Amino acid sequence: DAMVIQNPRYQVTQFGKPVTLSCSQTLNHNVMYWYQQKSSQAPKLLFHYYDKDFNNEADTPDNFQSRRPNTSFCFLDIRSPGLGDAAMYLCATSRDISRWQFFGPGTRLTVL
Amino acid sequence: KNEVEQSPQNLTAQEGEFITINCSYSVGISALHWLQQHPGGGIVSLFMLSSGKKKHGRLIATINIQEKHSSLHITASHPRDSAVYICAVSGGSQGNLIFGKGTKLSVKP
Repeated sequence: DAMVIQNPRYQVTQFGKPVTLSCSQTLNHNVMYWYQQKSSQAPKLLFHYYDKDFNNEADTPDNFQSRRPNTSFCFLDIRSPGLGDAAMYLCATSRDISRWQFFGPGTRLTVL
Repeated sequence: KNEVEQSPQNLTAQEGEFITINCSYSVGISALHWLQQHPGGGIVSLFMLSSGKKKHGRLIATINIQEKHSSLHITASHPRDSAVYICAVSGGSQGNLIFGKGTKLSVKP
């Protein structure tokens, strides 16, 4: 059974058109992470939630926002996607900080 | 210099060969992770280590805390092992993972 689910798996949007990516988990984990992975690069942490506490990375652009309405769901909002935002977006969860992270299958975003 | 260095960057092996991928890090850590990423993007966590050695089937991971070095070994490699193997360390107060650039493994039949 899938434990970390990301929807959609593939998302195409237009330059400047807001887009929302979804992540849900059945593990009841406290921590949810969003990573951005560009082609042939290592994943880069954008931000994470510890329960309801939002933690932004210093170099995450303001264009990227996140919401966690409840334990199970976390959303990544890209307000005005640019061509440089085309990437794989990975969601991960862990029971606590510095614990084993469970990754979702990722959403591949294309910006036209 | 990257905080997490992996070698080699690319590795081609014949089916059945013993494979070693190395990871060195330069920061203090609470744990080291080995991850597997197949084409198409999904990441699977293979190991989380803070000391010693762990074994899951044909996969073995070791870590030497004093030398700040870890190795991932695959015994009797198989074409389905072809993937990118990523070393990542965690240790900051936020629990962030610091990723290496990955080793692309291709196992030929």
